Formats: sequence, C-alpha cells, structure tokens
Amino acid sequence: DSGVTQTPKHLITATGQRVTLRCSPRSGDLSVYWYQQSLDQGLQFLIQYYNGEERAKGNILERFSAQQFPDLHSELNLSSLELGDSALYFCASSALGTSGLETQYFGPGTRLLVL
Amino acid sequence: AQSVTQLDSQVPVFEEAPVELRCNYSSSVSVYLFWYVQYPNQGLQLLLKYLSGSTLVESINGFEAEFNKSQTSFHLRKPSVHISDTAEYFCAVSLYTSYGKLTFGQGTILTVHP
Repeated sequence: DSGVTQTPKHLITATGQRVTLRCSPRSGDLSVYWYQQSLDQGLQFLIQYYNGEERAKGNILERFSAQQFPDLHSELNLSSLELGDSALYFCASSALGTSGLETQYFGPGTRLLVL
Repeated sequence: AQSVTQLDSQVPVFEEAPVELRCNYSSSVSVYLFWYVQYPNQGLQLLLKYLSGSTLVESINGFEAEFNKSQTSFHLRKPSVHISDTAEYFCAVSLYTSYGKLTFGQGTILTVHP
C-alpha cells in the first residue's frame, strides 16, 4: 500500500459526459501528479500540483482540468468525454515535487470507460 | 525533449532463469533513472532508481540495474526469476532540472513460466 488513495476505482460513463477523479496523497506529501495510461499512448504525464498551485503541465487536453485543495487532495476533471479518453488514470505524490530525484508514490488508479 | 525506449514489449522466461529487460533513453540534459513495476490490477511501485554515484543499483527483491552513460542505457536484470516476478516493468526518466515529471517507456511484460 503506497498510502495514496484514489476514488472511484472504476467509472463507466457515456460520451459527452463529465467526470471527476479524486486523489488523496500520502500523509505529508505536498505534490500531486496525474498520469494517464492508455493502450495506444502508454503512460503519460498530465499535470503536477504543489501545495495548491499548478507546477508543471504535460500532455493534458483542454477538456481536462485539475486542482489541488487546501487539504492537499486533488481532483482531475474530464469533460466532453470521448471514446479515446478511456484509460487508467493514476495519481502519484511526492514530498515536495521540487526535484526529479524525489520518489513518486502511485495510487491504485481509476479505470475510466467511456461508452 | 527526453524519451525512453524499452526494446522488448514482452519477455517470456522460465522460472529460475536469468532475465534482462532493456531500456535506452535519450536526453540532452542529465537525468535520473527509475524502474517501476506494475502487478496485475495494481498501481506502479518503485523497484529501483539511479540518482548518482555507483552505476549499479539494487532492489530488495534481487533485481539490479546498471547505468551506462556512454550507451544511454539502464537495463534491468535478475539472475533467477520467480513466478511472482510476472508483471509489467516500466523504465522512466526525470530531468535534473524538472519538478519530477516522469517520462515512461512503453513497458515490458515479463511472464515467468513454471
């Protein structure tokens, strides 16, 4: 158990809908990362937050947004969903997120299926 | 931009045989190197990492990886595998200058047969 929790575990929805994925980092970690794992694109970095502020952005679509709240949990919002958004979404956390040498601890993921 | 190539998508091997999972990276700046493992229906777990110093790094469960700067490689090895090592293995890099964003390879599925 990494200490990172993600809810829900599974999500099935229809095209055009909007969903929210939730992540709670390890106790004491200030930085949260979101990654998408799909069959065609592999594991891709989406976005990073540190102590409530966006720190780095990757291949995140404009239809996707995220935020980190004062209690440090994070939410990834996916809107106008398309079939191609079906994937496993991982959240990871690290202590500070200030350096590439920090270990990231991954949650179990949320599996999203868009029908 | 940095990239990671895992040269084998699938590696089948018999129990107690040695295995090598290959990883090459490309980057114009210095990187940290990681191997993560993903067991079926689970998240990723850090297996080992190279930050600096000795080029050979070891994990607690018998895996080791060697950083080769001239060949830009970070191959993962284990002298004798177990059934329980069946999983998908991901090589990843992060830049010295980044905030920790990981760039992953496509993954190698290791299947250990009895």
